[in-house]
Amino acid sequence: DTAVSQTPKYLVTQMGNDKSIKCEQNLGHDTMYWYKQDSKKFLKIMFSYNNKELIINETVPNRFSPKSPDKAHLNLHINSLELGDSAVYFCASSQEGQSTGELFFGEGSRLTVL
Amino acid sequence: SQQGEEDPQALSIQEGENATMNCSYKTSINNLQWYRQNSGRGLVHLILIRSNEREKHSGRLRVTLDTSKKSSSLLITASRAADTASYFCATDTGRRALTFGSGTRLQVQP
Repeated sequence: DTAVSQTPKYLVTQMGNDKSIKCEQNLGHDTMYWYKQDSKKFLKIMFSYNNKELIINETVPNRFSPKSPDKAHLNLHINSLELGDSAVYFCASSQEGQSTGELFFGEGSRLTVL
Repeated sequence: SQQGEEDPQALSIQEGENATMNCSYKTSINNLQWYRQNSGRGLVHLILIRSNEREKHSGRLRVTLDTSKKSSSLLITASRAADTASYFCATDTGRRALTFGSGTRLQVQP
């Protein structure tokens, strides 16, 4: 069974379109994240949610809107896509504790904006 | 600027050799973690070292942490072609998410 699954794996779309990436974890974790990995492999936190509550919202354009219907799901909706949004987006989860422990990552969703 | 920066950016060695990667960070940490990413895949956790620990081992992996120098190293002994991947350090600074660097790309030649 896949612990953290995200769909779609590949997404090719035109500038200006709206798209969503879905993520689900079956680990029973409290916290979920979205990370963006750019072409230089740098991985940057975008959002984190704990029990459906937004904890971290980095300086991400408000075209990006995360939605957590329950603690096992964290979806990412992107409006008015721009060329610079092209990247690999990773969902991850962890068990909340006094410190941030091991993150479990999905396989990534490669977004290409043309 | 990045919290974690790995050095070198790329490393090419022969099978059987040891590979050493370094990570420097800027602010105080609760723990430091190393992850591996195979091409086109997600990151996989390798090892976690807490701020009060100095060294940790897991199989062929050895991690050291020097909080006075704000640095860590990952040593992979007796490397194999299957170890070819990118390796990332990540720091927990208490902000409830890990901060990653840009990784070291390791190529192990058979």
